[in-house]
Amino acid sequence: AQSVTQLDSQVPVFEEAPVELRCNYSSSVSVYLFWYVQYPNQGLQLLLKYLSGSTLVKGINGFEAEFNKSQTSFHLRKPSVHISDTAEYFCAACSRNGNKLVFGAGTILRVKS
Amino acid sequence: EAGVVQSPRYKIIEKKQPVAFWCNPISGHNTLYWYRQNLGQGPELLIRYENEEAVDDSQLPKDRFSAERLKGVDSTLKIQPAELGDSAVYLCASSGHMGGYTFGSGTRLTVV
Repeated sequence: AQSVTQLDSQVPVFEEAPVELRCNYSSSVSVYLFWYVQYPNQGLQLLLKYLSGSTLVKGINGFEAEFNKSQTSFHLRKPSVHISDTAEYFCAACSRNGNKLVFGAGTILRVKS
Repeated sequence: EAGVVQSPRYKIIEKKQPVAFWCNPISGHNTLYWYRQNLGQGPELLIRYENEEAVDDSQLPKDRFSAERLKGVDSTLKIQPAELGDSAVYLCASSGHMGGYTFGSGTRLTVV
């Protein structure tokens, strides 16, 4: 079974500053990894996913994430955030031989002007 | 292409009343999921369907929750009777192949 840990419940950051949202996973098998964003009162929108290949994955809205197998991490980064990036971000994992997405508890990104 | 459609968006009911949620997945997606998201937490899987067969319902509280996916397309999730602790957002998702999950906007249930 997989588990996903998001190390920060909230991350405050000023507009145009860089940000990193941390995610660690544990699994006895190879996994696929995902980042989702959830705006208030809305569903989950896929930001990016790692299935295989290059460990640096680029997603929508200028976000990227790097898969680090040795550290079992999949941290999300953006070099310059906007006010509109204020939302909750969820890291998720799914085993390669299964279909169940397991989510972390979420990180609230608050971008301040 | 239409996304995953859920209704209603919001529902307020009194405890002990029944409630039902509806989900229409993306056309052609064989796998359908119901997740529950409690306030301040990540979504947790309640049930997964492959076509019309429930293949993982281990986290579904079967004493009060039920689900069906007739003809392998639309799905309904029902709670009867609802309890205060059932207040949450209920998310439906579908996928056609690995890595292709799409979520609906969810139904926010408030039990009073």
